[in-house]
Amino acid sequence: DSGVTQTPKHLITATGQRVTLRCSPRSGDLSVYWYQQSLDQGLQFLIQYYNGEERAKGNILERFSAQQFPDLHSELNLSSLELGDSALYFCASSVARVSYNEQFFGPGTRLTVL
Amino acid sequence: AQTVTQSQPEMSVQEAETVTLSCTYDTSESDYYLFWYKQPPSRQMILVIRQEAYKQQNATENRFSVNFQKAAKSFSLKISDSQLGDAAMYFCALLEYGNKLVFGAGTILRVKS
Repeated sequence: DSGVTQTPKHLITATGQRVTLRCSPRSGDLSVYWYQQSLDQGLQFLIQYYNGEERAKGNILERFSAQQFPDLHSELNLSSLELGDSALYFCASSVARVSYNEQFFGPGTRLTVL
Repeated sequence: AQTVTQSQPEMSVQEAETVTLSCTYDTSESDYYLFWYKQPPSRQMILVIRQEAYKQQNATENRFSVNFQKAAKSFSLKISDSQLGDAAMYFCALLEYGNKLVFGAGTILRVKS
């Protein structure tokens, strides 16, 4: 158990819908990262938040957005869903904003878009 | 841009034998970290081993060790005395100073009894 929690574990929805994925980092970690794992794109970095502020962006679509709240939990919002958004979405956390600190991964949320 | 390449989509090893998974990477930085993550069927990402680029000594963690060749930008993982529980997808990952992990495509490791 990494100490990072993600809810829900599974999510099934239809095209065009909007969903919210939730992540709680390990106690004491201020950075949260979101990654997407899909069959065709592999594991890709989406976005990082540190202590409530966006710090880095990767291959995140404009239909996707994220935020980190004062209690440090983070939410990833996916809207206008397409079939290709079906993937496993991981949240990871680490202590620092910019460093070589190890990232601890949550169990992931599996999103299926029908 | 940084890239990580795992050229072996799938590998097999007999139980108790040794197997080596290959990884090459590209970065313009002189300081960075490299990782091997294991993803079993449960899909959890589990850190296996890490290597700091400034350290010449290869990292080891019990049955897992790496062969880090900085000049060649190569970072292979050796698993000794393979066990059935080692069967999983293995990802090589690069972390430069900053934020994101860049992952390779992964290698599926099958362990035969």
